[in-house]
Amino acid sequence: DIQMTQSPSSLSASVGDRVTVTCRASQSISNYLSWYQQKPGRAPKLLIYSASTLQSRVPSRFSASGSGTDFTLTITSLQPEDFASYYCQQSYTAPWTFGQGTKVEIK
Amino acid sequence: QLQLQESGPGLVKPSETLSLTCTVSGGFISSTSYYWGWIRQPPGKGLEWIGSIYYSGSTYYNPSLKSRVTISADTSKNHFSLKLSSLTAADTAVYYCATSPAAGIATGTFDPWGQGALVTVSS
Repeated sequence: DIQMTQSPSSLSASVGDRVTVTCRASQSISNYLSWYQQKPGRAPKLLIYSASTLQSRVPSRFSASGSGTDFTLTITSLQPEDFASYYCQQSYTAPWTFGQGTKVEIK
Repeated sequence: QLQLQESGPGLVKPSETLSLTCTVSGGFISSTSYYWGWIRQPPGKGLEWIGSIYYSGSTYYNPSLKSRVTISADTSKNHFSLKLSSLTAADTAVYYCATSPAAGIATGTFDPWGQGALVTVSS
């Protein structure tokens, strides 16, 4: 299985901050990488697929990049509704696998 | 647009079988455009893909669960189901159903998801 490792596991930030989350795959996954946002008690929501393509109706303050094994999710100007957990997921080879998550908390 | 809703018992005894159903609205599980899948999340932990089914009946399971999992579909009721046998406390989780495109770069990417169903394994 392809292992997905996110860093950091959690971070504290303020409204308006720029936040970056990193995801590393245990082998090359080309650009078969998605990012999800999950708020407490809610299902994950797809933010980005194909490493950098923004899902429809996702605010443009979210962006992502990367290819191969290293990927990043960036939130420019963090908003109150962005405090949540974020997961990366590879869809290069089954079994599809997720990172362990990064919790973005209010400083 | 597609909407998914899980249903099933919230409490199951150890060694028994979990049975959940995902009812789809806004589309048809007989569509050639989608896979229909299950993902679970133990309390406070990360996400684990369980398996997926295609309209043809082809199934794809996570090897870590394959010996205990069955996913099936009922096109007449427009729903698909999950059975997980030989349950232990480690199977306590929120179980989500979700869909993914059957072709293109987004294959294996899940959107949308159901709201989730908490299943507790306890005697």
